[in-house]
Amino acid sequence: GAVVSQHPSWVICKSGTSVKIECRSLDFQATTMFWYRQFPKQSLMLMATSNEGSKATYEQGVEKDKFLINHASLTLSTLTVTSAHPEDSSFYICSAMPGGSTDTQYFGPGTRLTVL
Amino acid sequence: GQNIDQPTEMTATEGAIVQINCTYQTSGFNGLFWYQQHAGEAPTFLSYNVLDGLEEKGRFSSFLSRSKGYSYLLLKELQMKDSASYLCAVRGRNSNSGYALNFGKGTSLLVTP
Repeated sequence: GAVVSQHPSWVICKSGTSVKIECRSLDFQATTMFWYRQFPKQSLMLMATSNEGSKATYEQGVEKDKFLINHASLTLSTLTVTSAHPEDSSFYICSAMPGGSTDTQYFGPGTRLTVL
Repeated sequence: GQNIDQPTEMTATEGAIVQINCTYQTSGFNGLFWYQQHAGEAPTFLSYNVLDGLEEKGRFSSFLSRSKGYSYLLLKELQMKDSASYLCAVRGRNSNSGYALNFGKGTSLLVTP
């Protein structure tokens, strides 16, 4: 089956530093990847849609200069949280949609970010 | 915009049947998904409906009525391991992203012995 990995699975960093999270589709090519954020006991909130070879499209209220997304290849998208602050502490989850698919998203295992 | 409502919590007994409802309002409806999420883990796909009717998959079934903006997830023969959060997600048009998946707040199901 389709597998999506995320790295790292958890990270603790100091306030003001930047953190990069990788999302990889291991056995399929993903033209579209999505980045979500989930705060404790809340639902997933879509942050942005990442399209291979083009700029990401961000949802309303998500700062594109703070959450940098790069989808450089058909199997890799990265999310960089720049100048992280404690309020950025959250569970970040990516999902990948296989090329040609319109109804299937496969989720990565998530990355737990804690900013001290 | 999107508006997805589902109950916050439900409790059911092992071996019983439970129905989790979801109502939604969306522009450009393009499918409804149900996911299961255990605490601290990513969601796992359960079902997908794009046409009206019932989709059955083992112990899980999902129903959709597009005219009513309504779906339910039916879990039969409940097991303790079914205790989890169940997320209703609707794909519709977002102002920025074309089609995107938007999630409800989830229903936390507790299965008791």
